[in-house]
Amino acid sequence: NAGVTQTPKFRVLKTGQSMTLLCAQDMNHEYMYWYRQDPGMGLRLIHYSVGEGTTAKGEVPDGYNVSRLKKQNFLLGLESAAPSQTSVYFCASSYWLAGDETQYFGPGTRLLVL
Amino acid sequence: AQTVTQSQPEMSVQEAETVTLSCTYDTSESDYYLFWYKQPPSRQMILVIRQEAYKQQNATENRFSVNFQKAAKSFSLKISDSQLGDAAMYFCAYRSGHGSGNTGKLIFGQGTTLQVKP
Repeated sequence: NAGVTQTPKFRVLKTGQSMTLLCAQDMNHEYMYWYRQDPGMGLRLIHYSVGEGTTAKGEVPDGYNVSRLKKQNFLLGLESAAPSQTSVYFCASSYWLAGDETQYFGPGTRLLVL
Repeated sequence: AQTVTQSQPEMSVQEAETVTLSCTYDTSESDYYLFWYKQPPSRQMILVIRQEAYKQQNATENRFSVNFQKAAKSFSLKISDSQLGDAAMYFCAYRSGHGSGNTGKLIFGQGTTLQVKP
């Protein structure tokens, strides 16, 4: 049981390049989330999904797109990277059942945009 | 909208001593959950403790306990018998209850960096 995994762990991009971050979970969770972590600001929600084929915007969605084609995978895309997207990105997943509200986090992806 | 505030950017404690990390939140909801997550240098987010708002009893997990003051909207974390491995950043987080339309997203505070001195 690997839990939540993220690929890649670290990436350097040039301004304007694109990339996709992959999140995978093997806990059969319905709900998945993408957060970004910046110094002094905690974690902020980018996009989330409440089930396969569904996605929705979070607090800071601009410049990102997501897809959830399979229940176990949640992809975060940057179409044209900007230096302001330099951050650490976390994926999380959970059930949404009474008595089990814990979110489980992946190890994070550190992204540097030059 | 709900907000979470951690007013202590940094704290330090002597090994084996007790330290309390503060967290306040703002909400108009009556059904919600509160969490403390630990983030060591590895960056992995580790759940430390959780509290259901409808429970009056404070949650406890071994050396970690909370002081949940619902009326004051305060949720502090007490670490007893501090160990070197407790050194990390700690985040307080809020999650709405199971009402219609709630998506389970977490709202985080800014974090408190805890240093443990040997």
